[in-house]
Amino acid sequence: NAGVTQTPKFQVLKTGQSMTLQCAQDMNHNSMYWYRQDPGMGLRLIYYSASEGTTDKGEVPNGYNVSRLNKREFSLRLESAAPSQTSVYFCASSRGEGVNTEAFFGQGTRLTVV
Amino acid sequence: DAKTTQPPSMDCAEGRAANLPCNHSTISGNEYVYWYRQIHSQGPQYIIHGLKNNETNEMASLIITEDRKSSTLILPHATLRDTAVYYCIVRVALSAGNKLTFGGGTRVLVKP
Repeated sequence: NAGVTQTPKFQVLKTGQSMTLQCAQDMNHNSMYWYRQDPGMGLRLIYYSASEGTTDKGEVPNGYNVSRLNKREFSLRLESAAPSQTSVYFCASSRGEGVNTEAFFGQGTRLTVV
Repeated sequence: DAKTTQPPSMDCAEGRAANLPCNHSTISGNEYVYWYRQIHSQGPQYIIHGLKNNETNEMASLIITEDRKSSTLILPHATLRDTAVYYCIVRVALSAGNKLTFGGGTRVLVKP
């Protein structure tokens, strides 16, 4: 049972380069999320998708775009990477609305922008 | 969602109960208290949640005060593997999606 799978696990980019972080879940969840975590800090929400076909901005969306490709997959794109985007990125999914909507997290993508 | 306040760190002896406090004095009637933990930079892991009644599962117990302004997560017999950052989160359960707002959490170190 894979749960939430993120690729790649590690990435080094040069300033100005672009890349897409991939996330897939196999739990038939409706909602998916992208968070970033800077060293010693809590997670901050970048974008989320409450259901297939919808996306909304979170707390820190600037410099990112997302695509909810289908119910399973939710990608995060950095069009022009900046050193300030060096962080660990976590994807998560949940059933959606309701009380028992615990979120399941992937293992993270560690991104360094030089 | 209501803001939460947690102590930045605490130590606990292996085999003893760990009691992790959380203050959420501005919580509203339709907001639930959730606890997650993050072990050594892995993805956060759900522990437990509750509204006003005390809750228990295989991982922990959650005690919520009668006025709901604070809560305590109890790890009944802490092990070294419980060393992690523990996040207390308050959110409206019936909101769209599951937009968790993570604060600084409590860094728990379980010592032999």
